[in-house]
Amino acid sequence: EIVMTQSPVTLSVSPGERATLSCRASQRVDSNLAWYQQKPGQAPRLLIYAVSTRATGTPARFSGSRSGTEFTLSISSLQSEDFAVYFCQQYFNWPLTFGGGTKVEI
Amino acid sequence: EVQVVESGGGLVQAGGSLRLSCEASGFTFSSYWMGWVRQAPGKGLEWVANIKQDGSEKYYVDSVKGRFTISRDNAENSLFLQMDSLRAEDTAVYYCARGSYWDVNYFDYWGQGSLVTVTS
Repeated sequence: EIVMTQSPVTLSVSPGERATLSCRASQRVDSNLAWYQQKPGQAPRLLIYAVSTRATGTPARFSGSRSGTEFTLSISSLQSEDFAVYFCQQYFNWPLTFGGGTKVEI
Repeated sequence: EVQVVESGGGLVQAGGSLRLSCEASGFTFSSYWMGWVRQAPGKGLEWVANIKQDGSEKYYVDSVKGRFTISRDNAENSLFLQMDSLRAEDTAVYYCARGSYWDVNYFDYWGQGSLVTVTS
């Protein structure tokens, strides 16, 4: 099983600041990596797939990148609606696995 | 508009069974992988099972193998999760989610979830 490790667990930022979230895979997943956003009481929402491809409706301030088995989700200028929990997911092989999540808070 | 709507959750005793359903609309259901993802109270996301477009391939997380069965009815645009021998640790919100058209399994549309509570 591929273990996905997200850091930090909690990220405290101010509106307008840049946020950088990390996700590390325990083995190769190539470009089979997605990011989701989840707000309290809501279902997750796909933000990015294939490391850096924004899903329909994802604002351009969200971007993704990869260095080997290290993945980064960047939010260039945090808006109030971006405060949420973010999960990464690998879909390189079975079982599909998610990271534990990063909570972005004020 | 793409929609997936779960139903069938509820309260069940340990060792019991429950069947979740997911009704899909707004897209060609038979063209997409479908899956179930769960979230225990206050916890992260855990993938549970996926099924290929024609039902020919099914995959499960180890913790539910032999107890849960995923199935689909393409004529009815419906996805199912039969859950048997339920345990307290199966308590979670279960999300139905659309996979992809290709053999790449991320989830681009999610339902609002169905709560399953297993009492011991």
